[in-house]
Amino acid sequence: AQTVTQSQPEMSVQEAETVTLSCTYDTSESDYYLFWYKQPPSRQMILVIRQEAYKQQNATENRFSVNFQKAAKSFSLKISDSQLGDAAMYFCAFYSGGGADGLTFGKGTHLIIQP
Amino acid sequence: DVKVTQSSRYLVKRTGEKVFLECVQDMDHENMFWYRQDPGLGLRLIYFSYDVKMKEKGDIPEGYSVSREKKERFSLILESASTNQTSMYLCASSLRSAVSISGNTIYFGEGSWLTVV
Repeated sequence: AQTVTQSQPEMSVQEAETVTLSCTYDTSESDYYLFWYKQPPSRQMILVIRQEAYKQQNATENRFSVNFQKAAKSFSLKISDSQLGDAAMYFCAFYSGGGADGLTFGKGTHLIIQP
Repeated sequence: DVKVTQSSRYLVKRTGEKVFLECVQDMDHENMFWYRQDPGLGLRLIYFSYDVKMKEKGDIPEGYSVSREKKERFSLILESASTNQTSMYLCASSLRSAVSISGNTIYFGEGSWLTVV
């Protein structure tokens, strides 16, 4: 079974600064996908960024980028130019498309943006 | 617009009541999931279904059952609700394969807040 670890229960950053959320995972699978989801107070899960394990290039979506280190099984999220609307819970997730244990989430990081 | 719909956003039930949480998706997805979300514990999988009438237990199935009679609908059942089942419940769906043209793979409902008193 896969495990996903987010070691930072809470992070705080000043508006307009850069913050990095960490995520490590453990798996014996070779083909998988990694995601960062944002969950604002409304509780709707919003996909922030996705990375296919077979791709060496790090995914980027506007102000959001990842540092994917496959050998180290690390998948951190960098948010540049932080905005107040970025405040939310962020979940790292692993997906191998298999059965019940094919989708695994970390426990989340609560991101606070200081104005 | 693709959608996962959870029929009840907020419910208050009494201890011992039977509770049904319904989830419907309109994307013809094979996989459907029920999660429970509690502060500090993240999302914990209760049950997973990969096809009609097929199900697998997740990490915390005790006290819950599920039903998948039609591909689009996945119901979570609390046979006899207890106060420790007060939580937020999230439904999700995905294709059997993780590949999705749209770039998204897993779709979530808006969550159902259940309070058991």
